[in-house]
Amino acid sequence: NAGVMQNPRHLVRRRGQEARLRCSPMKGHSHVYWYRQLPEEGLKFMVYLQKENIIDESGMPKERFSAEFPKEGPSILRIQQVVRGDSAAYFCASSPLLDLRDNEQFFGPGTRLTVL
Amino acid sequence: GQSLEQPSEVTAVEGAIVQINCTYQTSGFYGLSWYQQHDGGAPTFLSYNGLDGLEETGRFSSFLSRSDSYGYLLLQELQMKDSASYFCAPEAVYGGATNKLIFGTGTLLAVQP
Repeated sequence: NAGVMQNPRHLVRRRGQEARLRCSPMKGHSHVYWYRQLPEEGLKFMVYLQKENIIDESGMPKERFSAEFPKEGPSILRIQQVVRGDSAAYFCASSPLLDLRDNEQFFGPGTRLTVL
Repeated sequence: GQSLEQPSEVTAVEGAIVQINCTYQTSGFYGLSWYQQHDGGAPTFLSYNGLDGLEETGRFSSFLSRSDSYGYLLLQELQMKDSASYFCAPEAVYGGATNKLIFGTGTLLAVQP
């Protein structure tokens, strides 16, 4: 069973360009989470999605950032008009249907975004 | 509101025991997870406490006291490979759904020979 997959692993963009980060959850997982990690800092929750639904986007910046998890295909985190402050590692995690005894989130390898 | 405190760095020697404490204030608290991260790689799940008390998984144990909003991760028989960042992550309930994790800045554990 393949783990959580993210691509690209490294992404370089110039200021003002768009960044599109992809996440394929583990097979059978219907819950996807996106986190951002700045250098030397912890992971900050951004958004929680289920298929075709955004459940909690309380951690998403109000402008330029959007996320989706379509019925078919990977989850996408989109950053429009990137700025240098967007440079960070973006991690995706997935979990199966909610089980009160199993709350583990499985993380992907992350996408390292560098904005020049 | 949300707040989370854990030590920023801990140093210990091989074979020793180390305890990483975590205090939290989390609206809608449901349980406490611990994750390990090596060199900025993918965080990996270590342990989860949904109830008060001690959970043991091999060399790692985790404890939770809901009344004190406190937990700790205990690592025994430390090995060099345990050098990593350790995050306590309270889980918050949102709209009846769980699994929203609140991560702090983590504790960087350095294991020395």
